[in-house]
Amino acid sequence: IAGITQAPTSQILAAGRRMTLRCTQDMRHNAMYWYRQDLGLGLRLIHYSNTAGTTGKGEVPDGYSVSRANTDDFPLTLASAVPSQTSVYFCASSKTSGSGNEQFFGPGTRLTVL
Amino acid sequence: GQNIDQPTEMTATEGAIVQINCTYQTSGFNGLFWYQQHAGEAPTFLSYNVLDGLEEKGRFSSFLSRSKGYSYLLLKELQMKDSASYLCAVENSNYQLIWGAGTKLIIKP
Repeated sequence: IAGITQAPTSQILAAGRRMTLRCTQDMRHNAMYWYRQDLGLGLRLIHYSNTAGTTGKGEVPDGYSVSRANTDDFPLTLASAVPSQTSVYFCASSKTSGSGNEQFFGPGTRLTVL
Repeated sequence: GQNIDQPTEMTATEGAIVQINCTYQTSGFNGLFWYQQHAGEAPTFLSYNVLDGLEEKGRFSSFLSRSKGYSYLLLKELQMKDSASYLCAVENSNYQLIWGAGTKLIIKP
């Protein structure tokens, strides 16, 4: 089934630990995105990738890193987790990064940092 | 600065019509998206407006006025399954989406 998957579904993490959130899409989309969603705030862009091999910083990149070694995968790494990174993380993809491209979202990862 | 405003919560009755407003001030504007998000789920695409006017798609319509920095989503013949959050997002000049906090719509029988 075509779509976008994320793993894990949820995670409780001790502060200071390293964590990688996985994201895979099989739609051959060029562009991929990582957002965080917090209560009372809109989705905020963390990092994005317009095509395999390139990445860029979004609105809230500090404390996060990404890589895009191939078209399908776009992992998000928290090098040393802090409680303020407790959030729901959504990965998304679109055919291209150009105007009017619908973004398709994964089911999300609920992360709690204690 | 960049600012997108939507009402936090609205209540409507099954079978009725509801209008969810979105006003925006952003650095650059290419178009405006509406997404639906059911509780605990991912956002899903509803509409995209780039020109002024009304775009109709079944029970849902979306309106845009670029000069006024204003959009609305109109939902007709409300059904219980329409209970969800509705997210307004502006596509800026870098083709990135700036999201509003969303409007939680509660449908009562």
